[in-house]
Amino acid sequence: KNEVEQSPQNLTAQEGEFITINCSYSVGISALHWLQQHPGGGIVSLFMLSSGKKKHGRLIATINIQEKHSSLHITASHPRDSAVYICAVLNYGGATNKLIFGTGTLLAVQP
Amino acid sequence: ETGVTQTPRHLVMGMTNKKSLKCEQHLGHNAMYWYKQSAKKPLELMFVYSLEERVENNSVPSRFSPECPNSSHLFLHLHTLQPEDSALYLCASSQEEFGGSPSEAFFGQGTRLTVV
Repeated sequence: KNEVEQSPQNLTAQEGEFITINCSYSVGISALHWLQQHPGGGIVSLFMLSSGKKKHGRLIATINIQEKHSSLHITASHPRDSAVYICAVLNYGGATNKLIFGTGTLLAVQP
Repeated sequence: ETGVTQTPRHLVMGMTNKKSLKCEQHLGHNAMYWYKQSAKKPLELMFVYSLEERVENNSVPSRFSPECPNSSHLFLHLHTLQPEDSALYLCASSQEEFGGSPSEAFFGQGTRLTVV
């Protein structure tokens, strides 16, 4: 079982829909990242959060430390939001922190 | 543009070839990482360099050899690879403050490697 689990693995939505992607983890963390990976490979960090909620444009990320769960919401989705969304937790310990990744959620937003 | 640049973007190499991947960051970060992304699997951490010293090597085969000559540059030297090593190789950097706040990682665009 992966230490970081995401759901759903694949998601197809119509333009304008509200989208939620979930992430659950089983290790101790100091922070959690939501990352976006477009076809071609480049990864962009959307959020890093360790408590509460963050908002950037149409994106909202929340985290519940007690429940070891985070959600990424996209409001008014658009075809350009189509990408793989990856949850990664920053696991403390050792000489440096390290990221543990989920398998990603492939989102396709259709016009 | 994230401040982390990887070259080349695409690489096709034979199993007997020797090649190198390059990563460069001008963010002033003190830690750099190599990750491997294979199809349908989570990213796997390969190497971590912090303050130019290798601090973590997740049991990566010796046919992968990292080099970190300074805090801005990271290389991954490849030799006698296998077809199953074909993957996307991603470099990342962060500013590690030991005992301090968690740090955000910045990723390069990746090198798509195909071993034939």
